[in-house]
Amino acid sequence: TQLLEQSPQFLSIQEGENLTVYCNSSSVFSSLQWYRQEPGEGPVLLVTVVTGGEVKKLKRLTFQFGDARRDSSLHITAAQPGDTGLYLCAGVGSGNQFYFGTGTSLTVIP
Amino acid sequence: GAGVSQSPSNKVTEKGKDVELRCDPISGHTALYWYRQSLGQGLEFLIYFQGNSAPDKSGLPSDRFSAERTGGSVSTLTIQRTQQEDSAVYLCASSLEWLLSPLHFGNGTRLTVT
Repeated sequence: TQLLEQSPQFLSIQEGENLTVYCNSSSVFSSLQWYRQEPGEGPVLLVTVVTGGEVKKLKRLTFQFGDARRDSSLHITAAQPGDTGLYLCAGVGSGNQFYFGTGTSLTVIP
Repeated sequence: GAGVSQSPSNKVTEKGKDVELRCDPISGHTALYWYRQSLGQGLEFLIYFQGNSAPDKSGLPSDRFSAERTGGSVSTLTIQRTQQEDSAVYLCASSLEWLLSPLHFGNGTRLTVT
């Protein structure tokens, strides 16, 4: 099993603050995805990164894939209450499966 | 609707009973995945299908768990002789091609074993 460790596990911030969520592994992944999950629903894909060093922006969200393809980060600028949810990274590893991270639960307080 | 559909959305069962969870993937999606999620935590991989075939069953927690997929479409996950530790949300996802396209998830089945 290839583990994807996410940090922090829980994050509670005020509206308007910036934050960064990390996804780390000792294994190399051919691609990595970020999902957001809201209570009572399944995860929804936010972005896929495939190239080491790649940076993708989605409005206020910036995703980066590490040069060695072992880690990724998600940065949110000026967080909004609508950003609240469970953020999950997932990678395609050598076992040819989607391995999901441990999750970061984000709460944005109005 | 065009999304992944799971039923039932909630299931409460007594310890020792069998349960069957159903997943209707997006039409045309060849790959189907089952995951288990404990409260507010990450996803534990259970099994995936390419078409009707499940190449890797090593993620199933015990021999009480089984899954099948028929006609390259609907899949059922069966848990026999349920235990309290089986309580979790069971999520199903499908993708157009195995590993090459993003996963589309259903809203899950919340299983509670009393």
